[in-house]
Amino acid sequence: DADVTQTPRNRITKTGKRIMLECSQTKGHDRMYWYRQDPGLGLRLIYYSFDVKDINKGEISDGYSVSRQAQAKFSLSLESAIPNQTALYFCATSDLGQGGTGELFFGEGSRLTVL
Amino acid sequence: AQSVTQLGSHVSVSEGALVLLRCNYSSSVPPYLFWYVQYPNQGLQLLLKYTSAATLVKGINGFEAEFKKSETSFHLTKPSAHMSDAAEYFCAVSAMDSNYQLIWGAGTKLIIKP
Repeated sequence: DADVTQTPRNRITKTGKRIMLECSQTKGHDRMYWYRQDPGLGLRLIYYSFDVKDINKGEISDGYSVSRQAQAKFSLSLESAIPNQTALYFCATSDLGQGGTGELFFGEGSRLTVL
Repeated sequence: AQSVTQLGSHVSVSEGALVLLRCNYSSSVPPYLFWYVQYPNQGLQLLLKYTSAATLVKGINGFEAEFKKSETSFHLTKPSAHMSDAAEYFCAVSAMDSNYQLIWGAGTKLIIKP
């Protein structure tokens, strides 16, 4: 089983619908991240969390919200999806324990299409 | 603060030829540097990382990168390209003064010509 699991892997929805992407990890890492990937734009950070009580906005948080339900779970919500939120979404984790470098461990991605 | 520049959004090489993907960084404190690879329809996986030990870092699938502080570079190379190397490659940097958050380059798509 993957260390970082994202569900769903693919989702097609309509404009205005609420969508939740879920991420769970078995690595025991404190830090979790949500990224968005669009062709030619690389990876852009949406939200990140350093522990259960800590949530931070990234560079493109508008239109998104997150919930850190437990150390192992971090979900991303689109309250009212719009077509320009069509993208590939990645969850990632990192460990800043002794000797930590910030290395990220990624899930396999969730491809979202908003019609 | 850190930043990363990857030269060339697309790089095309012939099978068997040298692969060279360029990454330049800026950082006011000692950095950690990473190369990640994304194969078509897959997530990102770590190719290699520089963590202030050896300046020449060897990674998976025959790739290596050299940390050159004087040139603020961390270019990725492979002596002989294989068709299976076709993918997108991302360079990233982290450092203490940004709380070890990864800062990403825009990515380089490697195309292998038969």
